[in-house]
Amino acid sequence: DTAVSQTPKYLVTQMGNDKSIKCEQNLGHDTMYWYKQDSKKFLKIMFSYNNKELIINETVPNRFSPKSPDKAHLNLHINSLELGDSAVYFCASSQGTSGANEQFFGPGTRLTVL
Amino acid sequence: AQSVTQLDSQVPVFEEAPVELRCNYSSSVSVYLFWYVQYPNQGLQLLLKYLSGSTLVESINGFEAEFNKSQTSFHLRKPSVHISDTAEYFCAVALSGTYKYIFGTGTRLKVLA
Repeated sequence: DTAVSQTPKYLVTQMGNDKSIKCEQNLGHDTMYWYKQDSKKFLKIMFSYNNKELIINETVPNRFSPKSPDKAHLNLHINSLELGDSAVYFCASSQGTSGANEQFFGPGTRLTVL
Repeated sequence: AQSVTQLDSQVPVFEEAPVELRCNYSSSVSVYLFWYVQYPNQGLQLLLKYLSGSTLVESINGFEAEFNKSQTSFHLRKPSVHISDTAEYFCAVALSGTYKYIFGTGTRLKVLA
């Protein structure tokens, strides 16, 4: 009955590889987000989609490409992985685009780039 | 630019003692304020939020936070902490009319037996 799920939970890979992280929510929400949490626990938004349309695109290298096949899914593909990409990536969802709405977070994907 | 400051990166406290985690923000427009909690190896969960109305908001597990507009603060308090409250606590701000959260850097609350 997980509300927001992410796969995989852990991802260890070599520099230069390409990898994807998948996110699914079963809350019926129409807005989804990707956040990056660095080693100091700082949490920063990367992307947001509303009804499959990109609405937030922060200053993120274009090696990162989000894709939303439908409202319930938001995937993150990363090309040419670098050491600095090592972090925990969180997916979140909310209903609507108001800042007043609670965001529900997934358990995170810990990416380690060697 | 808007920002959120959590001055204390780590707060150790003995069980059953009171605790206050500080959060200050800067914004020239109205904001919504949130506290999220992150238990080890888990995602963030909403603890409480202030949208409008009463400036004192409470959570179901005994935490409360008070919105102070003049001091631009939203400090989190609990009169008596439990070991299970050990976690990372994040303050977040969303500007009224927008949908983007800005998070503070987090405060690690460690409750000691």
